Amino acid sequence: NAGVTQTPKFQVLKTGQSMTLQCAQDMNHEYMSWYRQDPGMGLRLIHYSVGAGITDQGEVPNGYNVSRSTTEDFPLRLLSAAPSQTSVYFCASSPRLAADTQYFGPGTRLTVL
Amino acid sequence: GEDVEQSLFLSVREGDSSVINCTYTDSSSTYLYWYKQEPGAGLQLLTYIFSNMDMKQDQRLTVLLNKKDKHLSLRIADTQTGDSAIYFCAERSNDYKLSFGAGTTVTVRA
Repeated sequence: NAGVTQTPKFQVLKTGQSMTLQCAQDMNHEYMSWYRQDPGMGLRLIHYSVGAGITDQGEVPNGYNVSRSTTEDFPLRLLSAAPSQTSVYFCASSPRLAADTQYFGPGTRLTVL
Repeated sequence: GEDVEQSLFLSVREGDSSVINCTYTDSSSTYLYWYKQEPGAGLQLLTYIFSNMDMKQDQRLTVLLNKKDKHLSLRIADTQTGDSAIYFCAERSNDYKLSFGAGTTVTVRA
């Protein structure tokens, strides 16, 4: 199993551009989520999904869209990038009812100029 | 939202014990976690404790939970240079969401 994969690893955008951060897992996990990590603030939940076709907002959803058309994939879309979205983005997955198996991807470092 | 707080920095001598503290506010937390993040990497789950437990030990790691005071700690025995990293405390609520602290940067000095 590859676990949780994220692409790209690094990305630079100009203000106003749009892009999609990709996340995939091959463990048949029901629960997937996106976090952003900023210095001194830990990880903040952007959006999450408890299964294919179901998504919900987390703590900081503004400026981001998600969809979950398959169990494996959970892409995060930036509609119109802003400098405030400069951050490191982590995708995570887990079997919904399991407490001890939370898997994080390696992260995507995004810079918005 | 839920608040999880932890001190930002800890410096410890190699071979000594490290203790990282965390406080949380959500009394409905079901599980509490400790994650480790090494430079340039994602988060690695170190250990977790169910909210009805007081203590959990796993090799060099000891987790203590004081549910009354909403205080969680992670003790690392015989700290090694490979333990230098950022450690995150997190709580999981009934709806499976995780709330993270800001992270404690642990520096191990020779």
